[in-house]
Amino acid sequence: AQSVTQLDSQVPVFEEAPVELRCNYSSSVSVYLFWYVQYPNQGLQLLLKYLSGSTLVESINGFEAEFNKSQTSFHLRKPSVHISDTDEYFCAVRGSSGDKLTFGTGTRLAVRP
Amino acid sequence: EPEVTQTPSHQVTQMGQEVILRCVPISNHLYFYWYRQILGQKVEFLVSFYNNEISEKSEIFDDQFSVERPDGSNFTLKIRSTKLEDSAMYFCASSAGLTDTQYFGPGTRLTVL
Repeated sequence: AQSVTQLDSQVPVFEEAPVELRCNYSSSVSVYLFWYVQYPNQGLQLLLKYLSGSTLVESINGFEAEFNKSQTSFHLRKPSVHISDTDEYFCAVRGSSGDKLTFGTGTRLAVRP
Repeated sequence: EPEVTQTPSHQVTQMGQEVILRCVPISNHLYFYWYRQILGQKVEFLVSFYNNEISEKSEIFDDQFSVERPDGSNFTLKIRSTKLEDSAMYFCASSAGLTDTQYFGPGTRLTVL
């Protein structure tokens, strides 16, 4: 079984400032890790994922996340946020041989001008 | 870009009534999922479906729930006798393979009165 912890329910930040959304997981097996973003009244959109290989993964809109096995973390970062990044972000984990995703409780990123 | 679609976007029903939520997964995908998100809570796995049978289900997915792929394109979730606590956003997802990325639909908001 897996579990995901997102300690911050909301992260307020000013525009153009850096941000980090924290995600920790626990699992007894090897895992794949994901960040999804939930746009208002829309479904979950995949932002980025770690399956294997380089522990640093990047999205097309400037977000990055680093898989840290020793700290069981997959924190999401962006060096300079925009107002349009205001959304709910969900970290998720899946066992490498399984299919169901286990989600964290989500973090609302609130970018202020 | 292909996407998962869901209908209706919002369903209101009386307690005890049956509802069917419909999903059209991405056409060449083989694995199908239902998740739900009660307002303000995390996204929870309900069931996964492959090769015309359930491959995994959560403890939430009791005898009141069933899934079906009635034809080559639709994937449905039926709740036989709805309860107030079934009120939630229900997300359908699909993936090409067991360990491939799951793509989510926009969700159906179910309100049970």
